[in-house]
Amino acid sequence: GAGVSQSPSNKVTEKGKDVELRCDPISGHTALYWYRQSLGQGLEFLIYFQGNSAPDKSGLPSDRFSAERTGGSVSTLTIQRTQQEDSAVYLCASSLVWTAYYEQYFGPGTRLTVT
Amino acid sequence: DAKTTQPPSMDCAEGRAANLPCNHSTISGNEYVYWYRQIHSQGPQYIIHGLKNNETNEMASLIITEDRKSSTLILPHATLRDTAVYYCIAPGANAGGTSYGKLTFGQGTILTVHP
Repeated sequence: GAGVSQSPSNKVTEKGKDVELRCDPISGHTALYWYRQSLGQGLEFLIYFQGNSAPDKSGLPSDRFSAERTGGSVSTLTIQRTQQEDSAVYLCASSLVWTAYYEQYFGPGTRLTVT
Repeated sequence: DAKTTQPPSMDCAEGRAANLPCNHSTISGNEYVYWYRQIHSQGPQYIIHGLKNNETNEMASLIITEDRKSSTLILPHATLRDTAVYYCIAPGANAGGTSYGKLTFGQGTILTVHP
């Protein structure tokens, strides 16, 4: 079956512009996670959804970052007024429910470059 | 989350067993240990998880010490395709023993399998 897909695969934007990153989880997966990986850094948790609600937004780096999920499926991560330090690979994952007991399936990521 | 400590890098000859250690001395009684790996330029991939009994699947074996303060991931016959960063994660659990879904990836162990 289809895995987690993300779009775009690459995004180059100018500093100060807004960007939207999209994640299509595996069908039937109620939990969806966003992580990012900066050059030479480990994976950093950003936010997760159980259904359409996001109980834990503690990982979002600033109020320029927001995310939503509609219909319990597609999620969009929005970064407003992008800064150069936002350059990273943004990874989305999904799992059956929100517990590590169920394997998280990761997408290929979106590489964001802010110039 | 329980803090996990892993060696930064390890080497292994192709065809030999790769034994990757992880220290998690602060883990509590109902917290599972999870292993993921990340092959270059890909999203992380789930490998295995365990609580206190040794576990084996088609990818690897997980040996957890009786006091649960450490564990070892074993790739029985490493191949060149096993070259990756391996992450040991202890995400914590609620009172009912359900693991939290938020994964905290540390620096992991870079495993290099050579011919």
